[in-house]
Amino acid sequence: NAGVTQTPKFRILKIGQSMTLQCTQDMNHNYMYWYRQDPGMGLKLIYYSVGAGITDKGEVPNGYNVSRSTTEDFPLRLELAAPSQTSVYFCASSQGGDRETQYFGPGTRLLVL
Amino acid sequence: GENVEQHPSTLSVQEGDSAVIKCTYSDSASNYFPWYKQELGKGPQLIIDIRSNVGEKKDQRIAVTLNKTAKHFSLHITETQPEDSAVYFCAAADKGGGADGLTFGKGTHLIIQP
Repeated sequence: NAGVTQTPKFRILKIGQSMTLQCTQDMNHNYMYWYRQDPGMGLKLIYYSVGAGITDKGEVPNGYNVSRSTTEDFPLRLELAAPSQTSVYFCASSQGGDRETQYFGPGTRLLVL
Repeated sequence: GENVEQHPSTLSVQEGDSAVIKCTYSDSASNYFPWYKQELGKGPQLIIDIRSNVGEKKDQRIAVTLNKTAKHFSLHITETQPEDSAVYFCAAADKGGGADGLTFGKGTHLIIQP
């Protein structure tokens, strides 16, 4: 049981490039989330999903897209990378309902130059 | 939406002493308040949580208190140890029990002095 895994661990992008951050969980959780963490700040919700085929925007969705074709995977897509998207990205999952505990992955550090 | 304020941003205590971190929230509908510990280079990990139907919860050296009237909650760590050094985040779920995500405070960097 690996929990929540994220790839890559670190990536440098040039302005305007695109990339997909991968997230997989093996706990059969219904709910999955993407957060970004900027230095000295808490985590801000980008997108979330309550089940396969269902996604919704969080607090800071602009510049990102997500999909949820399976229960296990929840990739985050950056289409036109901007310096403002330099951050650490965390994926999380939870069973949902009354069991709200969110389990976080190790994070992806992204630098846009 | 929900807004969570967390204080202090940095807290330095002597090993063996107690540490207290405080958070306030804005949405009276919030009903779930977890605390996460984040070690350097790792993702946040839940250490304790409390729901709006209880005022205090304890787990060994860690306790959390909740005051719904004042809309604030606190983390208490007693007999601090070097491994308690980390960044601690409070959070609140404003609806759906967190199903649509958590609102986090900005974090407290706890430093345990030997």
